[in-house]
Amino acid sequence: EVQLVEYGGDLVQPGGSLRLSCAASGFTFNKYAISWVRQAPGKGLEWVSSIGGSGGDIFYADAVKGRFIISRDNSNNTVFLQMSSLRAEDTAVYYCAKDNYDSGNFYGVFVSWGQGTLVTVAS
Amino acid sequence: DIVMTQSPDSLAVSLGERATINCKSSQTVLYNSNNRNYLAWYQQKPGQPPKLLIYWASTRASGVPDRFSGSGSGTDFTLTISSLQAEDVALYYCQQYYITPTFGQGTKVEIK
Repeated sequence: EVQLVEYGGDLVQPGGSLRLSCAASGFTFNKYAISWVRQAPGKGLEWVSSIGGSGGDIFYADAVKGRFIISRDNSNNTVFLQMSSLRAEDTAVYYCAKDNYDSGNFYGVFVSWGQGTLVTVAS
Repeated sequence: DIVMTQSPDSLAVSLGERATINCKSSQTVLYNSNNRNYLAWYQQKPGQPPKLLIYWASTRASGVPDRFSGSGSGTDFTLTISSLQAEDVALYYCQQYYITPTFGQGTKVEIK
């Protein structure tokens, strides 16, 4: 069974940093792109960042480019999102999501999701 | 970015009746070289993550009941629930993956 579990959400001050982790199991990890998608309280879904299976292909939304860094550790089946220069508008539940295809390329069809971790940016 | 616009924002349908949600993209999501529409639909229930229902505009994801169907091409798409069940009460989102993903604003489906 595919499982994705997010860790690391917390209350952080504006301008601060935080690192989220997504621990995966139940599938051949390095064959799938993994993404982060966020949802502000009471709002819709917003794609944040994606990383290909090998870690070589990386993509960011304009809203986070230059502030967030995605990476993965295929030996430990984990994806990370290093967030810095955090703003109030980054407040959201952050989900990690697995792509639908085992080519390792990023398609953007999110077939499996974690339960999410809440990041709150406030003073 | 491709802007996805859903209509209506909410709808109330009687149990057993048809529910129809529309989604319009600001530019085509049909890739001519493979004739595929890069469009997906998700269902999200309160307190839960989204669940993939449909991809390639009309392909049901594994385990999705056949009362859910997707149609459309180019810039105009529809999600249809042929016979609404109580467990279908949720928010529904369309999403394009033609370029970097963007989602519609969501449509809330309730029981009348």
